[in-house]
Amino acid sequence: KAGVTQTPRYLIKTRGQQVTLSCSPISGHRSVSWYQQTPGQGLQFLFEYFSETQRNKGNFPGRFSGRQFSNSRSEMNVSTLELGDSALYLCASRFGGATGELFFGEGSRLTVL
Amino acid sequence: EDQVTQSPEALRLQEGESSSLNCSYTVSGLRGLFWYRQDPGKGPEFLFTLYSAGEEKEKERLKATLTKKESFLHITAPKPEDSATYLCAALHNTDKLIFGTGTRLQVFP
Repeated sequence: KAGVTQTPRYLIKTRGQQVTLSCSPISGHRSVSWYQQTPGQGLQFLFEYFSETQRNKGNFPGRFSGRQFSNSRSEMNVSTLELGDSALYLCASRFGGATGELFFGEGSRLTVL
Repeated sequence: EDQVTQSPEALRLQEGESSSLNCSYTVSGLRGLFWYRQDPGKGPEFLFTLYSAGEEKEKERLKATLTKKESFLHITAPKPEDSATYLCAALHNTDKLIFGTGTRLQVFP
């Protein structure tokens, strides 16, 4: 069974640009969550999508957005990039329900110059 | 404020030297406590779920326990391949998962 796939794995952007990250969940998983991981803050929850609807949202500015498609694949977008957005962005999927048993991808490492 | 705190930040052990990692939490309406392992350059890998105080879960050299205020991850006779960052996370009653910043474990032969 294929795991969670994230693309691209690495990318470099400059301040003010925008970026789109993609996540393909495990087959059959309908929930996709996004997390930002930085050395100082650890993993911070961005948002969760279930059946194309945003179920939950963390405390991030509106520059961070996401969506989920009918095949459960998800994208997140960050507009007007800032230096502080440099981080590892992790996507996680789960079959459904209220559980913390998540399956993570390997992440997309974003560097903002 | 809902918070998950892990200690120590880093731990160096000799192979075979048992120890414990701590995860203390203050979370409204805790719905579960979760442990993950993260290797460098990889996403976290799920290890255990604990739902109620007194509950214990075991897997190979790892045992996770839960009280009303904290959770412990006990590592018995660790091996170098146990080296990783161990993360705990608490599931809030809003269904949000709150992570600690992790304990970086290094086991030397």
